[in-house]
Amino acid sequence: EIVLTQSPGTLSLSPGERATLSCRASQSVSSKLAWFQQKPGQAPRLLIHDATNRATGIPDRFSGSGSGTDFTLTISRLEPGDFAVYYCQQSAGSLSWTFGQGTKVEVK
Amino acid sequence: QITLKESGPTLVKPTQTLTLTCTFSGFSLNTAGVAVDWIRQPPGKALEWVAHIYWNDGKYYSPSLKSRLTITKDTAKNQVVLTMTNMDPDDTAIYFCAQSYWYVLGHWGQGMLVTVSS
Repeated sequence: EIVLTQSPGTLSLSPGERATLSCRASQSVSSKLAWFQQKPGQAPRLLIHDATNRATGIPDRFSGSGSGTDFTLTISRLEPGDFAVYYCQQSAGSLSWTFGQGTKVEVK
Repeated sequence: QITLKESGPTLVKPTQTLTLTCTFSGFSLNTAGVAVDWIRQPPGKALEWVAHIYWNDGKYYSPSLKSRLTITKDTAKNQVVLTMTNMDPDDTAIYFCAQSYWYVLGHWGQGMLVTVSS
């Protein structure tokens, strides 16, 4: 099973600042990596798929990069609604998928 | 518009079998590339992928849960059913169903909390 490790566990930033979140896979997932945002009491929302592609309706301050085992989600300028928990998820192959443990982006 | 909704018991006893139904609209499970997934989230913890079933009836399960899971689809009813045997308090979680299209989890249900307690 592919293990995804996210860092840091918590990111304390102020609105307007840049957020950089990391996701590392235990083996290559090619570009089959997605990022989700989850707010309290809500279902996750797809932000990025295939490592770099923004989902429909996602603002361009969200961007994804990476391939193989190392991936990054960048939020260029944090807005109040961006403070949430972010998960990466791999879908390398059709068999078994996994999520990372999450990174919480909180207000400093 | 794609929607999914989970239904089933909110409370089960240890050792019982849980049966959850995902009822969806706005897409067909006969379409190539489409799958319905189950994901769960224990209170305050991370997401855990559980299982998925593909348009071609391919079925895949989390290795850690595989022996306890069965996933089936009823394309006429637009439903996917997940059964999990031998429930334990550690299985207490919010259970989400979601649609994937060519391996991208694009649409999620609202989730439902299932509590395992005697």
